[in-house]
Amino acid sequence: SQTIHQWPATLVQPVGSPLSLECTVEGTSNPNLYWYRQAAGRGLQLLFYSVGIGQISSEVPQNLSASRPQDRQFILSSKKLLLSDSGFYLCAWGRLAGGFTGELFFGEGSRLTVL
Amino acid sequence: GNSVTQMEGPVTLSEEAFLTINCTYTATGYPSLFWYVQYPGEGLQLLLKATKADDKGSNKGFEATYRKETTSFHLEKGSVQVSDSAVYFCALSVRSYGQNFVFGPGTRLSVLP
Repeated sequence: SQTIHQWPATLVQPVGSPLSLECTVEGTSNPNLYWYRQAAGRGLQLLFYSVGIGQISSEVPQNLSASRPQDRQFILSSKKLLLSDSGFYLCAWGRLAGGFTGELFFGEGSRLTVL
Repeated sequence: GNSVTQMEGPVTLSEEAFLTINCTYTATGYPSLFWYVQYPGEGLQLLLKATKADDKGSNKGFEATYRKETTSFHLEKGSVQVSDSAVYFCALSVRSYGQNFVFGPGTRLSVLP
């Protein structure tokens, strides 16, 4: 079966510090990978998606970047955090082949507070 | 473009009440439709799905029918429980480069004992 994990689950960072959130998927190959952000009490904002190693599409210009160094690893980074980067970050994977019908599968989420 | 509209709530119901959360969509092509649920402090879980017109998705007493003529996918449950309190997201997926996936804004449901 497929699993997805992201970490850390919670972090508190000062303004101007760097950020690295990591997400890994197990039990499948060539997944599409996604990073979403959810502000408090709000909906989901797609930040980045990737259809393959080294292929990153950015949906919203901002202070963040993403990388996919391996097929099942997706990393969200920032060189200098802003207060507005606070939120709940969700990694997800999906496939349209191998019996999957397009749904996304989400990790547990990472709650970031920037002070 | 593709979009999903749903009632934003919050919706407050008493235990054992009937639940309806409306969802309508706009899509180019033939989308698959989904309902996701998010419990406090957690990620999203797929609740149910439907991939073609007139399909009915069902899970945990919830159900939704893919209505192409009204471009709708309303979520229903006959008798809600306190444990159903969560945020519910309607979503669609269209086969395209990068798997175009669109979420609605979410509906917060509170069920009171």
